[in-house]
Amino acid sequence: EPEVTQTPSHQVTQMGQEVILRCVPISNHLYFYWYRQILGQKVEFLVSFYNNEISEKSEIFDDQFSVERPDGSNFTLKIRSTKLEDSAMYFCASRRRDRGFFEQYFGPGTRLTVT
Amino acid sequence: RKEVEQDPGPFNVPEGATVAFNCTYSNSASQSFFWYRQDCRKEPKLLMSVYSSGNEDGRFTAQLNRASQYISLLIRDSKLSDSATYLCVVLNTGTASKLTFGTGTRLQVTL
Repeated sequence: EPEVTQTPSHQVTQMGQEVILRCVPISNHLYFYWYRQILGQKVEFLVSFYNNEISEKSEIFDDQFSVERPDGSNFTLKIRSTKLEDSAMYFCASRRRDRGFFEQYFGPGTRLTVT
Repeated sequence: RKEVEQDPGPFNVPEGATVAFNCTYSNSASQSFFWYRQDCRKEPKLLMSVYSSGNEDGRFTAQLNRASQYISLLIRDSKLSDSATYLCVVLNTGTASKLTFGTGTRLQVTL
């Protein structure tokens, strides 16, 4: 069964450093998402991406965040200058294009630790 | 009021028991509804979509009451492997994009 994959599984970085989290969505999916989950809290939406542009973003997704689909398979989330409060689990998700299919499938996540 | 509200639990039930989780949502324009399951420090995994007519998948039954803005999940014949956090998730009309998650209800099935 096709899966969303994410790398790395765990990233430790110092405050102020840039990080890039990588995702390979399911191959026939055309909608892509990033969510985050701070330890002990609920999963929160960050951004959605379709047709090579952001379709929606949350208040969390400020100027420090960017997303890119550099080729036909990868989908990346960049945090330019990490803060302690960026420490969280970051999940990538993807969805089929077909109308009426709204189920999103999640990757295993990248645990980001900012020190 | 929270967009999606769930009782955090934990629900501790013996193997073989039937357990029910409830969820309420605040946006009456919400379009689609799901139950996801999340194991400790893992990704949310889609358990089932929830339809107005109600739907069943094996031991799992989901119900939606749009008038009351209420969603439920029933698990029959609980297994040890059902121990997890169950996330009520809503997709709102107009965004067609983001999922809004509840905080989850923790289930612990014991021998």
